[in-house]
Amino acid sequence: SQTIHQWPATLVQPVGSPLSLECTVEGTSNPNLYWYRQAAGRGLQLLFYSVGIGQISSEVPQNLSASRPQDRQFILSSKKLLLSDSGFYLCAWSAGGDGYTFGSGTRLTVV
Amino acid sequence: GNSVTQMEGPVTLSEEAFLTINCTYTATGYPSLFWYVQYPGEGLQLLLKATKADDKGSNKGFEATYRKETTSFHLEKGSVQVSDSAVYFCALSSLTGTASKLTFGTGTRLQVTL
Repeated sequence: SQTIHQWPATLVQPVGSPLSLECTVEGTSNPNLYWYRQAAGRGLQLLFYSVGIGQISSEVPQNLSASRPQDRQFILSSKKLLLSDSGFYLCAWSAGGDGYTFGSGTRLTVV
Repeated sequence: GNSVTQMEGPVTLSEEAFLTINCTYTATGYPSLFWYVQYPGEGLQLLLKATKADDKGSNKGFEATYRKETTSFHLEKGSVQVSDSAVYFCALSSLTGTASKLTFGTGTRLQVTL
């Protein structure tokens, strides 16, 4: 069966520090991968999606970047965190249709 | 572009009360519609979905009907339980190239009390 792993579960980082969040998928090949952010009191915003290795589409201009070095690995990064980067980050995958499976999320607090 | 509008929360109900959470959408074409649920401290779980007009999605006593004429997908449950307390997100999917993308509403927090 397919599973999605996301870590860490919580993270507290100072302003200006770098960030790396990792997401991996098991049990499927060539998944579509997504990063969403849920800011406090707001809905879910699509940040990046990827349909294949090295293929990244950005939905909104921001302080973050994404990479897909392997078929089932999706990484969210920042060189210098801002306070506004705080939020709940969710990774998800789909097989190309409507079905999405979400990871358990990473709660990032920038202090 | 696509958008989803949900009723503002929080919604507070007593156990066994009837639940309605309104959701309307704007989209080109014929999107699929979803309700996701987020329990405290967890990620999102798919609750139900409908892929075409007049379809009814149902799961765990919740149901929603895809109404194309009113562009709505309201979530209902006849008798809520304390364990239903969570944040509920309405969403629609759209195809971009080979990837489908979900557009979410802002979420509605449901609090059920004894």
